[in-house]
Amino acid sequence: AQSVTQLGSHVSVSEGALVLLRCNYSSSVPPYLFWYVQYPNQGLQLLLKYTTGATLVKGINGFEAEFKKSETSFHLTKPSAHMSDAAEYFCAVSQTAGGTSYGKLTFGQGTILTVHP
Amino acid sequence: KAGVTQTPRYLIKTRGQQVTLSCSPISGHRSVSWYQQTPGQGLQFLFEYFSETQRNKGNFPGRFSGRQFSNSRSEMNVSTLELGDSALYLCASSLGGRPSTDTQYFGPGTRLTVL
Repeated sequence: AQSVTQLGSHVSVSEGALVLLRCNYSSSVPPYLFWYVQYPNQGLQLLLKYTTGATLVKGINGFEAEFKKSETSFHLTKPSAHMSDAAEYFCAVSQTAGGTSYGKLTFGQGTILTVHP
Repeated sequence: KAGVTQTPRYLIKTRGQQVTLSCSPISGHRSVSWYQQTPGQGLQFLFEYFSETQRNKGNFPGRFSGRQFSNSRSEMNVSTLELGDSALYLCASSLGGRPSTDTQYFGPGTRLTVL
C-alpha cells in the first residue's frame, strides 16, 4: 500500500522568504508524484508532477520539487514567497502499475502555507 | 476549454435522505474520479469511471455509488445519509488513457452538509 506524509500541517513564512514544504512517500513500486494547491472554496490545481526522467521538476508559479528516491521524498520549494501563495498544499502519489491504480491519487494530509507581509 | 463543473455547489440534507451530485468533465476527458474531503480524514478516493465502467473503488460503504454516462458526465449518489457524510465532494477528470500519470483536473466541489 502506498502512503504520503507531509511534515508540518502549518508552515509560516515571510514574503520573499524561501518556501519549503516537505513530503515523504511510501510505495512498494516506483511512484508517480504530484503537488496540488487548494485555495479557499476551490478545487485542487496541479502545481507539478514527477513521472519519469529528470528528478528536478519545475511547475507553475515558480514552484519546483525534487524526487529523491534514496530519501523517499518529494519536497516542494519556491525561492521567494508571495502573498498570493497562501493556500493549502497537497502532495499525492499514484502507483505505476496494477488495476488498483486506476484514477486513484493517495493524498497527504495537507500543509497550510501562511505568508506574512 | 471549460473546466470541470460540479453541481450543485452547496447542498443541505437531513439524515436518512439520499443525494445525487453531478460532474461534467473537461471536453475530451473520459475518466472521472471522485474524492471526499473532510477535516478529519483529508482527501479520500471514492471511485473512478472510464467509458461508463467503474475501474476502481475506494474503501467506502455501499451507500456510496456512482455512474458515468456516454458523454462522460458522471454522477455520484449517497443513500441513507449520515452526519459523517458532511464533506466537500470533489470530482476530477482526466484523459484516462494512462491512469497513473494523467493529470487529474479538479472541479470546485460540492459542499454537502447533513443535519
